[in-house]
Amino acid sequence: EIVLTQSPGTLSLSPGERVTLSCRASQSLSSSHLGWYQQKPGQSPRLLIYATSTRAPGIPDRFSGSGSGTDFTLTISRLEPEDFAVYYCQKYDTSHTWTFGQGTKVEIK
Amino acid sequence: QVQLQESGPGLVKPSETLTLTCDVSGYSISSGYYWGWIRQSPGRGLEWIGSIYNTGRTYYNSSLQSRVTISRDTSKNQFSLKLRSVTAAETAVYYCARLGAALDFWGQGILVSVSS
Repeated sequence: EIVLTQSPGTLSLSPGERVTLSCRASQSLSSSHLGWYQQKPGQSPRLLIYATSTRAPGIPDRFSGSGSGTDFTLTISRLEPEDFAVYYCQKYDTSHTWTFGQGTKVEIK
Repeated sequence: QVQLQESGPGLVKPSETLTLTCDVSGYSISSGYYWGWIRQSPGRGLEWIGSIYNTGRTYYNSSLQSRVTISRDTSKNQFSLKLRSVTAAETAVYYCARLGAALDFWGQGILVSVSS
């Protein structure tokens, strides 16, 4: 079973800063099968990025994804006030299972 | 626009069966994609429970497989979750979602408490 490990657990940042979030898989993944989500308190997760680097409809271009193999990254080029949230990575296996990382909280410094 | 809405009891007793339904609008569940359930509790993060494909075939999280059944009613464009023999540790927000390799549409979630 492939495990996703996100780091760091929490980031304390100021608006305007650049953010880089990490998602590491215990085994190599297809880049087509890695996604990122944003979740704010009391809300459902929202799909930001799918297939490692493709933005979902309506997602601002300050969000970008990259990576391959076991190391994947979500970057927010310039933090806006509405970006303070928890971010999750997620993988799909061709055995028809879905798994999430434990999340990274981006909080206001 | 695809919309999903969970419904069901907010309180279930330990050892009983949790039953939830997800109503889908804007897309026919028999046309494509997987349709599934995810739960979230403070101690366990986001956990995929299981999915039903547009063909009706089901897939379950191996840790829950012995207690879970996902079914669908295509005439009502809805799918359902049954989780048997629940414990207090399964108190969580339960979401339904549309799944491809990514989960692009989610319901708002329903809090289900397991308590006597």
